[in-house]
Amino acid sequence: AQKITQTQPGMFVQEKEAVTLDCTYDTSDPSYGLFWYKQPSSGEMIFLIYQGSYDQQNATEGRYSLNFQKARKSANLVISASQLGDSAMYFCAMREGRFGNEKLTFGTGTRLTIIP
Amino acid sequence: GAGVSQTPSNKVTEKGKYVELRCDPISGHTALYWYRQSLGQGPEFLIYFQGTGAADDSGLPNDRFFAVRPEGSVSTLKIQRTERGDSAVYLCASKTSAYTDTQYFGPGTRLTVL
Repeated sequence: AQKITQTQPGMFVQEKEAVTLDCTYDTSDPSYGLFWYKQPSSGEMIFLIYQGSYDQQNATEGRYSLNFQKARKSANLVISASQLGDSAMYFCAMREGRFGNEKLTFGTGTRLTIIP
Repeated sequence: GAGVSQTPSNKVTEKGKYVELRCDPISGHTALYWYRQSLGQGPEFLIYFQGTGAADDSGLPNDRFFAVRPEGSVSTLKIQRTERGDSAVYLCASKTSAYTDTQYFGPGTRLTVL
């Protein structure tokens, strides 16, 4: 089974609207971390937001929030008031286990295009 | 401050040749990672260094791939006898220590094997 599943290969959203990018994960480890990265056409992976499996609150960072539903194993990224500069690939990733297991497992990404 | 830097940004080589890709992590970051991103895919883990030692090299695809970090800062990914299937973007990331979570990525090296 895929450890990280992103089911939306591409999305088109009108500028200033909110957008939700879906991510589901699969792990049997009670300790894990979930990440979202943005990859513009320049290629660099830009860290957006992090959620730990034991965190009680959903993570927020400016216009980004993570809708963490542990029972459903989903970690959707919500971008409020989208901007043209948000057009990019977005990757969901997971680190399993406690510190010591350092590798991130990435999904296949969602290409987001913001329409003016 | 300066982010993770990688050189070269692009590398074109011929099948069978040897290549070296360099990563300069954020100053003070003790943990360093290499990932490979093929076209249309997310990055795939290759190797992780904590300090000078490779703590996890389980993602290296075969013995043609090797990485070093002799002084615990700059790392070099070495690929011997390159094959066309090695063509990809090679990403490097670093983080403060093994006890923090967020990895910060460099811009990558695009390797093309002809």
